[in-house]
This record gives sequence, C-alpha cells and structure tokens, in this order.
Amino acid sequence: DSGVTQTPKHLITATGQRVTLRCSPRSGDLSVYWYQQSLDQGLQFLIQYYNGEERAKGNILERFSAQQFPDLHSELNLSSLELGDSALYFCASSLGLDPVGEQFFGPGTRLTVL
Amino acid sequence: AQKVTQAQTEISVVEKEDVTLDCVYETRDTTYYLFWYKQPPSGELVFLIRRNSFDEQNEISGRYSWNFQKSTSSFNFTITASQVVDSAVYFCALSESRVNDYKLSFGAGTTVTVRA
Repeated sequence: DSGVTQTPKHLITATGQRVTLRCSPRSGDLSVYWYQQSLDQGLQFLIQYYNGEERAKGNILERFSAQQFPDLHSELNLSSLELGDSALYFCASSLGLDPVGEQFFGPGTRLTVL
Repeated sequence: AQKVTQAQTEISVVEKEDVTLDCVYETRDTTYYLFWYKQPPSGELVFLIRRNSFDEQNEISGRYSWNFQKSTSSFNFTITASQVVDSAVYFCALSESRVNDYKLSFGAGTTVTVRA
C-alpha cells in the first residue's frame, strides 16, 4: 500500500459527459501528479501540482483540468468525454517539488467511456 | 520521436531463469533521469529505481540489477533467479526535467511472465 488513495476505483460513463477523479496523496507529500495509461498512448504524464499550484504540464488535453486543494487532495476533471478517454488514470505523490524523486502511485481509477 | 524504446514486448521464462529487459533512450540533455517501474497484475505502479545521468554505476538490489551505459544510451534491467511474483509489466522512463518543466516519457513496457 503506497498510502495514495484514489476514488472511485471504476467509473463508467457516456460520451459527452463530465467526471471527476479524486486523489489523496500520502501524508506529508506536497506534490501530486496525474498520469493516463491507455492502450493507444501508453503511459503519459498529464500534470503536476505542488502545494496547491500547478507546476508542470504534460500531454493534458484542454478538456481536462485539475486542481489541488488546501488539504492537498487533488481532483482531475475530464469533460466532453470521448471514447478515446477510456483509460486507467493514476495519481502519484512525492514529498517535495522535485519531480524526479521517488513518486508513490495510487491504485488508479479505471474510466470506461461508452 | 520515441524517447524511450523497450524493444521487447513480452518475455516468458521459467522460474529461476534470469531475465534482462532492454531500455534504450534518446535525449540531447546532459542532465536527465532514468527510471524503472513495475506494474503487477493488480495494476498499481511501483517505483523500482532512479538513476541520474551523471551516475553510471551499476546497481544491485536483491535479485534486481541495473546496467546504465551512456555510450549506448541504454539502461537495462536484470532479474536474477526469477520468481512467479516477478510477473508484471515493466516500464522504463526518461525524465528530461528542468525547473518547472517536468517531462517524463515512458517506454511501451515489457510484459514478463514467469512460469512455475
């Protein structure tokens, strides 16, 4: 158990809908990262937050957004969903700002868009 | 262009055999970091190792060892005396990070199946 929690574990929705994925980092970790794992694109880094502020962006679509709250949990919002958004979404956390330190991954949220 | 290439899609071995996973990367940066992650059938990603570009020492951790060779841009991973619990997908990753500009590129992964 990495100490990172993600909810929900599974999510099934329809095209055009909007969903919110939630992540609670390990206690004490200030950085949160979001990743997407799909059959087409493989594993991709989406975005990093540190202590409430966005610090780095990867291959995140404009239909996707994220935020980190004062209690350090983070939410990833996916809107106008398309079939291709079906994927496993991981959240990871690390202690500091340096993203190349060890990151601890949550169990993931499996999103299915029908 | 693919920054991280894991040429082996699947490897199947019998328990106690050694298995080596290849990882070739591409970067123009002089400072970069390489990682290996394990994704067991349960799905979570597990960090295994980080290596920075200035440290070419090979590393051994139990049955795991890593061989970093800048000259060939490779960061290979060997599991010695494999066990069934080693069955997983293994990802190699490259980070060409700068301040406030985190970039991480994953390889496509190698599925390792260890048969009893």
